[in-house]
Amino acid sequence: SSELTQDPAVSVALGQTVRITCQGDSLKTYYASWYQQKPGQAPVLVVYPKNNRPSGIPDRFSDSSSGDTASLTITGAQAEDEADYYCNSRDSSGDHVVFGGGTKLTVL
Amino acid sequence: QLQLQESGPGLVKPSETLSLTCTVSGGSISSTAHYWGWVRQPPGKGLEWIGTIYYSGITYYNPSLTSRVTLSVDTSKNQFSLKLNSVTAADTAVYYCARENRRTIFDYWGQGTLATVSS
Repeated sequence: SSELTQDPAVSVALGQTVRITCQGDSLKTYYASWYQQKPGQAPVLVVYPKNNRPSGIPDRFSDSSSGDTASLTITGAQAEDEADYYCNSRDSSGDHVVFGGGTKLTVL
Repeated sequence: QLQLQESGPGLVKPSETLSLTCTVSGGSISSTAHYWGWVRQPPGKGLEWIGTIYYSGITYYNPSLTSRVTLSVDTSKNQFSLKLNSVTAADTAVYYCARENRRTIFDYWGQGTLATVSS
C-alpha cells in the first residue's frame, strides 16, 4: 500500500482548470514531485518541488502544498493532458521513496 | 541529452533471479549530484520504487523488497544493475531505470522493459 494517497480518477472539461491532490503524513516534511504517464510510455517529470518545471513542460502545470497535501494544478487543460498522474516523495522515515497510487485524468 | 536504456531477459522462471542492467549515455553515472534508481509497474497498476544507488555504491531499498533486491553500479561501463531473487508472478512488471535528483526527483527515465515471471 502507498503512503501517498491520490484520487483514482478525475475529469475536467477542455480548457478548464483541474487540481489533482496527493495526501500523506510525510508531505508535512517533504515536498512532492509530479509525473505524467501516457499509455505505453515511461513517466515524464512535469513538476518538481517549489513549482519548478523541466524544460519543455508547459507553464499550465503548477504545484502547491498545504499541510499533508500536495497538489498539481493544470490551468486550461488540453486534450493532450489526458494521462495518469503520479506524485512521489519520501516516506515518513525520510530514507525511502514512495509513489502515490496515481490519478487517471480524463479531459472531456 | 542523457539517455537510459534497460536490458535483460524478458522471461524469468519462478523462484529464479531477475537481472536487469541500465546503461547510461550522454552523462556520467559518477556524477556527485545524482542518484540512480529502479521503479517498476505491474500491468495495469501504479508505480513502485524498488531502490536507489549512488555511484559510490551506497544503496537504499524499498522495505517491502529489501530481502530480495540487490543494486550495484559499474562506473567503468556507466551502468547500474538490479537483481531480484526468488521471483514470483507478482514480480511481473515493466521495470524502469531512472536518474534521481535529490533522491526523489526522477528526471530522466529509460523506456522500460517488461519482465515476465512464468514457467
